[in-house]
This record gives sequence, structure tokens and C-alpha cells, in this order.
Amino acid sequence: EIVLTQSPDTLSLSPGERATLSCRASQSVSSNLLAWFQQKPGQAPRLLIYGASSRASGIPDRFSGSGSATDFTLTITRLEPEDFAVYYCQQYIKSPFTFGQGTKLEIK
Amino acid sequence: QVQLVESGGGVVQPGKSLRLSCVASGFTFNIFGMHWVRQAPGKGLEWVAFDGREKSYADSVKGRFVISRDNSKNTFDLQMSSLRAEDTAVYYCARGYYGDFVGIDLWGQGTLVTVSS
Repeated sequence: EIVLTQSPDTLSLSPGERATLSCRASQSVSSNLLAWFQQKPGQAPRLLIYGASSRASGIPDRFSGSGSATDFTLTITRLEPEDFAVYYCQQYIKSPFTFGQGTKLEIK
Repeated sequence: QVQLVESGGGVVQPGKSLRLSCVASGFTFNIFGMHWVRQAPGKGLEWVAFDGREKSYADSVKGRFVISRDNSKNTFDLQMSSLRAEDTAVYYCARGYYGDFVGIDLWGQGTLVTVSS
């Protein structure tokens, strides 16, 4: 099983700042089959990034994904108030299609 | 309108069974992989099962949960048996598209299952 470890668990920032979220895999996620999701309270998750670096339809360009193999990053430039939420990474190269434990992005 | 709608959640006693259903609309259902993902109260996302070229299950539900689909009705079901307190969660169905119809691109709104006596 591929274990995904996200860091930090909680990130406290102010609107307008830059957020950098990390997702580390216990083994290589080949073909960069890794996604990032955003979840707000009481809502279903929403796809942000697929294939490690491709933005999903309708996602603002302040969201970007990067990385390969075992180290992946979600970057949010110029945080907007609506960006404060929980973020999850997920690998979809190999079953079980595991998620990271999540990073909570909170307003400082 | 492209959407997934789950139903069937509720309160069930430990050891009992429950069947969840997901109805898809607005897209060609039979070409897509489908997932069930759950989220215990206040916890993170946990992948449960996938129906694609093969069916696969998380170890935590293997032997107790079974997925099935009816392409003529655009439905994707999760039959849950021998339910435990730790199965209490919101259950989401999700569509697999990216990476050979595995990577999730669409989620339903979820249905809550509470396992309690």
C-alpha cells in the first residue's frame, strides 16, 4: 500500500499570502498519477489538480501542482478567503487508492 | 447536468446490513470507473472500493462490502454487511476519469451511515 503523508497538518496564513502544501509518498507514484482535492465544511471534496500538475476545469490559476515520484506540492499563490479549507492528496496509480491525512489551511 | 446522487444512508445496528445506491446522470456512465470513498465524522477521506476493469476494495471492508453497477440504470451500489461502529461515515460515490478512468474528477454529495445500537 502506498502511504501518503501530508505536511503540515495545519497551516495558518493570512489572505494574500502564499501557501505551500506537501504530500510525500512511501513509494514512487509512477506516471505522476496524483491528485489534490479541496474540501470545505459540510461539502463534498472538489478536484483541484490531477496528474500532479494539471488544473481541473474551472480551477483558478493561483492553484498549481508540482513534483514527481515521491514528493509532490500544492501551491496557492495570493490566498483568497474562500481558499481556507482542508486539502487532500490521493494517488491513483495502484489500489488501494490512498489519500493523505489532509492539511487544514486556516486563517491566521 | 452531470451529477452523482447517493441514497440509502441511515442508522443501522452493528452486525446488520445496508445498501447504498448512487445514480449517475448527464454522462455516459458505462465508460467510467466508479469509486466509493468514506469520511468518518471529523476525520479524513478513506478510499473504500473501485469498479473499473477489476473490482478492488480497501482491506478494512474486504469480505464485508460488495460493489456492483447496473449500466442500464446508471446506478452504482455498495452492499455493506456485518457493519461495525467504525463504518460510521459519510459515504461518497465518485467518478473515475483521469489516468485510465481511475482518477476522481466528480463527487456526489454523500450519504450518512451511522452504525449504532
